[in-house]
Amino acid sequence: DTGVSQNPRHKITKRGQNVTFRCDPISEHNRLYWYRQTLGQGPEFLTYFQNEAQLEKSRLLSDRFSAERPKGSFSTLEIQRTEQGDSAMYLCASGYDEQFFGPGTRLTVL
Amino acid sequence: GESVGLHLPTLSVQEGDNSIINCAYSNSASDYFIWYKQESGKGPQFIIDIRSNMDKRQGQRVTVLLNKTVKHLSLQIAATQPGDSAVYFCAESTWLIQGAQKLVFGQGTRLTINP
Repeated sequence: DTGVSQNPRHKITKRGQNVTFRCDPISEHNRLYWYRQTLGQGPEFLTYFQNEAQLEKSRLLSDRFSAERPKGSFSTLEIQRTEQGDSAMYLCASGYDEQFFGPGTRLTVL
Repeated sequence: GESVGLHLPTLSVQEGDNSIINCAYSNSASDYFIWYKQESGKGPQFIIDIRSNMDKRQGQRVTVLLNKTVKHLSLQIAATQPGDSAVYFCAESTWLIQGAQKLVFGQGTRLTINP
Protein backbone atom coordinates (compact mmCIF):
# COMPACT_ATOMS: atom_id res chain seq x y z
CA ASP A 1 0.00 0.00 0.00
CA THR A 2 1.60 3.26 -1.11
CA GLY A 3 -0.91 5.58 0.55
CA VAL A 4 -0.56 7.63 3.72
CA SER A 5 -0.33 5.44 6.80
CA GLN A 6 -0.90 6.33 10.43
CA ASN A 7 -0.15 4.49 13.64
CA PRO A 8 -1.67 3.57 15.93
CA ARG A 9 -5.19 3.46 14.50
CA HIS A 10 -6.72 3.68 17.94
CA LYS A 11 -5.37 4.98 21.24
CA ILE A 12 -7.11 4.99 24.59
CA THR A 13 -5.37 6.88 27.36
CA LYS A 14 -6.08 8.34 30.75
CA ARG A 15 -6.27 12.06 31.29
CA GLY A 16 -2.88 13.53 32.03
CA GLN A 17 -0.89 10.98 30.04
CA ASN A 18 1.24 11.80 27.02
CA VAL A 19 0.53 10.25 23.62
CA THR A 20 2.42 10.22 20.34
CA PHE A 21 1.07 9.46 16.87
CA ARG A 22 3.02 8.70 13.73
CA CYS A 23 2.29 9.54 10.10
CA ASP A 24 4.11 8.08 7.11
CA PRO A 25 3.26 10.16 4.03
CA ILE A 26 3.42 9.09 0.42
CA SER A 27 7.16 8.90 -0.13
CA GLU A 28 7.63 11.56 -2.78
CA HIS A 29 5.44 14.19 -1.08
CA ASN A 30 7.29 17.01 0.62
CA ARG A 31 4.12 18.63 1.99
CA LEU A 32 2.55 17.10 5.10
CA TYR A 33 -0.47 18.29 7.05
CA TRP A 34 -2.11 17.37 10.35
CA TYR A 35 -5.84 17.83 10.95
CA ARG A 36 -8.14 17.04 13.86
CA GLN A 37 -11.69 15.79 13.41
CA THR A 38 -14.26 15.59 16.20
CA LEU A 39 -17.43 13.55 15.92
CA GLY A 40 -19.87 14.91 13.38
CA GLN A 41 -17.56 17.69 12.26
CA GLY A 42 -15.25 18.24 9.35
CA PRO A 43 -11.48 18.08 9.84
CA GLU A 44 -9.76 21.17 11.24
CA PHE A 45 -6.26 22.19 10.21
CA LEU A 46 -3.56 21.88 12.87
CA THR A 47 -0.18 22.27 11.21
CA TYR A 48 1.81 22.06 7.97
CA PHE A 49 5.31 20.86 7.12
CA GLN A 50 7.31 21.37 4.00
CA ASN A 51 10.10 18.82 4.20
CA GLU A 52 11.36 19.06 7.79
CA ALA A 53 10.26 22.67 8.33
CA GLN A 54 7.06 23.37 10.24
CA LEU A 55 5.77 26.41 8.37
CA GLU A 56 2.27 26.91 9.72
CA LYS A 57 0.51 26.21 13.01
CA SER A 58 -3.11 26.71 13.88
CA ARG A 59 -4.22 28.43 17.05
CA LEU A 60 -5.82 25.06 17.84
CA LEU A 61 -2.32 23.72 18.42
CA SER A 62 -1.86 24.60 22.07
CA ASP A 63 1.47 24.39 23.85
CA ARG A 64 0.60 20.83 24.89
CA PHE A 65 0.82 19.79 21.24
CA SER A 66 4.07 19.40 19.34
CA ALA A 67 4.71 18.06 15.88
CA GLU A 68 7.95 17.10 14.23
CA ARG A 69 9.17 15.84 10.90
CA PRO A 70 12.85 15.32 11.63
CA LYS A 71 14.10 14.03 8.30
CA GLY A 72 11.39 15.31 6.04
CA SER A 73 9.80 11.89 5.81
CA PHE A 74 7.56 10.60 8.62
CA SER A 75 6.01 12.96 11.14
CA THR A 76 4.97 12.63 14.77
CA LEU A 77 2.32 14.48 16.72
CA GLU A 78 2.66 14.46 20.50
CA ILE A 79 0.05 15.57 22.99
CA GLN A 80 1.24 16.13 26.53
CA ARG A 81 -0.98 16.02 29.60
CA THR A 82 -3.98 14.88 27.60
CA GLU A 83 -7.42 16.25 28.40
CA GLN A 84 -10.83 14.79 27.62
CA GLY A 85 -11.32 17.53 25.04
CA ASP A 86 -8.42 16.09 23.06
CA SER A 87 -10.54 13.07 22.16
CA ALA A 88 -10.81 13.16 18.38
CA MET A 89 -9.60 11.63 15.15
CA TYR A 90 -6.16 12.93 14.18
CA LEU A 91 -5.65 12.89 10.44
CA CYS A 92 -2.48 13.25 8.44
CA ALA A 93 -2.39 14.25 4.78
CA SER A 94 0.37 14.63 2.22
CA GLY A 95 0.52 15.87 -1.33
CA TYR A 96 1.47 18.58 -3.78
CA ASP A 97 -1.80 20.28 -4.73
CA GLU A 98 -4.29 17.55 -3.84
CA GLN A 99 -4.11 16.32 -0.25
CA PHE A 100 -4.23 12.58 0.30
CA PHE A 101 -5.44 11.62 3.74
CA GLY A 102 -4.45 8.72 5.90
CA PRO A 103 -6.94 6.61 7.87
CA GLY A 104 -6.41 8.62 11.03
CA THR A 105 -5.66 7.84 14.67
CA ARG A 106 -8.69 7.84 16.91
CA LEU A 107 -7.79 9.12 20.39
CA THR A 108 -10.02 8.54 23.38
CA VAL A 109 -9.06 10.26 26.62
CA LEU A 110 -10.76 8.80 29.68
CA GLY B 1 -13.86 34.77 9.06
CA GLU B 2 -13.69 31.57 7.05
CA SER B 3 -16.72 29.37 7.14
CA VAL B 4 -17.82 26.54 4.96
CA GLY B 5 -21.05 24.77 5.71
CA LEU B 6 -23.60 22.43 4.27
CA HIS B 7 -27.34 22.97 4.08
CA LEU B 8 -28.47 19.46 5.08
CA PRO B 9 -26.89 17.08 7.57
CA THR B 10 -28.50 13.97 6.03
CA LEU B 11 -29.76 12.91 2.64
CA SER B 12 -31.45 9.66 1.66
CA VAL B 13 -31.94 8.63 -1.95
CA GLN B 14 -33.00 5.51 -3.79
CA GLU B 15 -30.36 3.46 -5.50
CA GLY B 16 -30.08 4.56 -9.10
CA ASP B 17 -31.38 8.06 -8.45
CA ASN B 18 -29.29 11.19 -8.69
CA SER B 19 -28.08 12.97 -5.54
CA ILE B 20 -27.36 16.63 -5.02
CA ILE B 21 -25.37 17.79 -2.01
CA ASN B 22 -25.10 21.50 -1.36
CA CYS B 23 -22.53 23.70 0.29
CA ALA B 24 -22.31 27.39 1.13
CA TYR B 25 -19.08 29.26 1.75
CA SER B 26 -18.47 32.70 3.16
CA ASN B 27 -15.03 33.76 1.93
CA SER B 28 -15.59 35.46 -1.41
CA ALA B 29 -11.84 35.48 -2.00
CA SER B 30 -11.66 31.68 -2.05
CA ASP B 31 -10.51 30.36 -5.39
CA TYR B 32 -10.30 26.61 -4.95
CA PHE B 33 -12.86 24.12 -3.65
CA ILE B 34 -12.79 20.39 -3.14
CA TRP B 35 -15.34 17.71 -2.39
CA TYR B 36 -14.30 14.79 -0.18
CA LYS B 37 -16.01 11.51 0.63
CA GLN B 38 -15.46 9.93 4.02
CA GLU B 39 -16.51 6.39 4.80
CA SER B 40 -16.76 5.12 8.33
CA GLY B 41 -13.34 4.55 9.88
CA LYS B 42 -11.46 6.06 6.96
CA GLY B 43 -9.86 9.36 6.11
CA PRO B 44 -11.43 11.77 3.60
CA GLN B 45 -11.07 10.71 -0.01
CA PHE B 46 -10.75 13.27 -2.80
CA ILE B 47 -13.68 13.24 -5.22
CA ILE B 48 -13.45 16.32 -7.41
CA ASP B 49 -12.22 19.88 -7.26
CA ILE B 50 -13.02 23.15 -8.98
CA ARG B 51 -11.27 26.49 -9.31
CA SER B 52 -13.06 29.79 -9.15
CA ASN B 53 -12.53 30.50 -12.84
CA MET B 54 -14.89 27.64 -13.64
CA ASP B 55 -18.63 27.17 -13.10
CA LYS B 56 -18.82 23.45 -13.66
CA ARG B 57 -16.56 20.46 -13.69
CA GLN B 58 -17.41 16.85 -14.43
CA GLY B 59 -15.84 13.63 -13.35
CA GLN B 60 -16.94 10.04 -13.47
CA ARG B 61 -20.59 10.11 -12.28
CA VAL B 62 -19.92 13.33 -10.36
CA THR B 63 -20.36 16.98 -11.26
CA VAL B 64 -19.45 20.01 -9.20
CA LEU B 65 -21.18 23.32 -9.79
CA LEU B 66 -19.88 26.62 -8.46
CA ASN B 67 -21.98 29.77 -8.18
CA LYS B 68 -19.69 32.56 -7.07
CA THR B 69 -22.48 35.12 -7.03
CA VAL B 70 -24.22 33.44 -4.10
CA LYS B 71 -21.12 31.62 -2.82
CA HIS B 72 -22.59 28.19 -3.29
CA LEU B 73 -21.32 24.92 -4.65
CA SER B 74 -22.96 21.59 -5.14
CA LEU B 75 -21.98 18.01 -5.80
CA GLN B 76 -24.15 15.95 -8.09
CA ILE B 77 -23.79 12.19 -8.07
CA ALA B 78 -25.45 10.37 -10.94
CA ALA B 79 -27.04 6.93 -10.67
CA THR B 80 -26.16 6.46 -7.02
CA GLN B 81 -24.85 3.09 -5.87
CA PRO B 82 -24.68 1.52 -2.41
CA GLY B 83 -20.97 2.32 -2.33
CA ASP B 84 -21.78 6.02 -2.47
CA SER B 85 -23.11 5.88 1.09
CA ALA B 86 -20.75 8.07 3.12
CA VAL B 87 -20.33 11.53 4.60
CA TYR B 88 -19.54 14.18 2.01
CA PHE B 89 -17.59 17.32 2.85
CA CYS B 90 -16.95 20.40 0.86
CA ALA B 91 -13.67 22.14 1.60
CA GLU B 92 -12.42 25.59 0.82
CA SER B 93 -8.74 26.13 0.24
CA THR B 94 -6.77 28.89 1.90
CA TRP B 95 -3.27 29.44 0.59
CA LEU B 96 -0.36 29.05 2.96
CA ILE B 97 3.29 29.86 2.54
CA GLN B 98 5.07 28.54 -0.54
CA GLY B 99 1.95 27.42 -2.35
CA ALA B 100 0.62 24.97 0.23
CA GLN B 101 -3.05 24.92 1.14
CA LYS B 102 -5.03 24.83 4.36
CA LEU B 103 -8.38 23.15 3.86
CA VAL B 104 -11.41 24.55 5.69
CA PHE B 105 -14.09 21.87 5.85
CA GLY B 106 -17.81 22.12 6.36
CA GLN B 107 -19.75 19.90 8.73
CA GLY B 108 -20.62 17.26 6.16
CA THR B 109 -23.72 15.62 4.73
CA ARG B 110 -24.40 11.95 5.38
CA LEU B 111 -25.67 10.32 2.20
CA THR B 112 -27.63 7.10 2.58
CA ILE B 113 -28.53 5.00 -0.45
CA ASN B 114 -31.71 2.98 -0.05
CA PRO B 115 -32.04 -0.28 -2.01
